[in-house]
Amino acid sequence: ILNVEQSPQSLHVQEGDSTNFTCSFPSSNFYALHWYRWETAKSPEALFVMTLNGDEKKKGRISATLNTKEGYSYLYIKGSQPEDSATYLCAFDQTGANNLFFGTGTRLTVIP
Amino acid sequence: DTGVSQNPRHKITKRGQNVTFRCDPISEHNRLYWYRQTLGQGPEFLTYFQNEAQLEKSRLLSDRFSAERPKGSFSTLEIQRTEQGDSAMYLCASSHPTLDTQYFGPGTRLTVL
Repeated sequence: ILNVEQSPQSLHVQEGDSTNFTCSFPSSNFYALHWYRWETAKSPEALFVMTLNGDEKKKGRISATLNTKEGYSYLYIKGSQPEDSATYLCAFDQTGANNLFFGTGTRLTVIP
Repeated sequence: DTGVSQNPRHKITKRGQNVTFRCDPISEHNRLYWYRQTLGQGPEFLTYFQNEAQLEKSRLLSDRFSAERPKGSFSTLEIQRTEQGDSAMYLCASSHPTLDTQYFGPGTRLTVL
């Protein structure tokens, strides 16, 4: 079992604030890093799959960066909205062998 | 809706009973995965199918657990002689043959009393 850690565990921000979370993973044998958003009572939604060191991806107000050499990824949300409230999960794929190792998630609450 | 579907969404059972969950993947996806999430944890990998072949099983999948994908389309996960420790959210995901993204269903929440 690989150690994938996310911080913080939970976060409360005011509407309009920008925020970021961290995912750390083993820096050896890297294949891909996935980010998901999981709203209560819904399916986890795929946000990004990141494969290259230095990769930056963006989807609307959400963006992510990747550093495979030091084993971390950041997820940024610009101008948080109440609809951004969800648990954000990262998942590490070590070999492309199809089993993802998930962190415990960062639970974001955006206060109107 | 062409996403991954799971049934039932909720299941309450008594200890010792057998339960079966179903997952219908996205139609053109040949890969199918099962994960389990317990309280306070991230999802943990259980097993993986490519078409009808079960190619990988986690050590978390005890002898009481069995998964099938008989025609390479839908999959079932059966738990025999359920225990309270089996209470969890069971998630199914599928992926396209040439892409890495796994698309998840809404999960089946199992409560064992």
